[in-house]
Amino acid sequence: EPEVTQTPSHQVTQMGQEVILRCVPISNHLYFYWYRQILGQKVEFLVSFYNNEISEKSEIFDDQFSVERPDGSNFTLKIRSTKLEDSAMYFCASSATGNNGYTFGSGTRLTVV
Amino acid sequence: KNEVEQSPQNLTAQEGEFITINCSYSVGISALHWLQQHPGGGIVSLFMLSSGKKKHGRLIATINIQEKHSSLHITASHPRDSAVYICAVSRNTDKLIFGTGTRLQVFP
Repeated sequence: EPEVTQTPSHQVTQMGQEVILRCVPISNHLYFYWYRQILGQKVEFLVSFYNNEISEKSEIFDDQFSVERPDGSNFTLKIRSTKLEDSAMYFCASSATGNNGYTFGSGTRLTVV
Repeated sequence: KNEVEQSPQNLTAQEGEFITINCSYSVGISALHWLQQHPGGGIVSLFMLSSGKKKHGRLIATINIQEKHSSLHITASHPRDSAVYICAVSRNTDKLIFGTGTRLQVFP
């Protein structure tokens, strides 16, 4: 069964450093999403991406965050200057049409120290 | 107030028991999703439904659009069903809005 692949599975970074989280969505999917889950809390929406541009972003997704689809297969989330409160599990998801179900990656656990 | 509410927050059961997890939502939706989150953190989609009922193995999901309520049932529960079950809603091509999850533990 097709999978959404996320790398790395774990990342530890110093506060203030830039991190790039990588995702390879399912190849024929058109809608891409990043979500995050702070430990012990519910999953929160960060950003959705369609047709090579952001279609929606949450208030969490401030100027420190950016997304890119550099080569037609990878979908990346960049955090420019990490803060302690960015520590969370980050999930990538993709959907073929945006309303027929979502496939999630296994997540990247980001720890900012 | 959360747009998606789940109950109970925690649930323990003996192997073989019938389990029900409830979800209520307060917004207009195009679909409701039931997801399973394993202890390692990965999220798996179980069901997407916009009306009626769906069944997959021992799992059954129902939705009542008028009452804005959905239930997930597990028949003949097994320890391997232990996980967090999450209800989420979507509107057309919009993002998912998640509930807080129900932590289920099934003991042998």
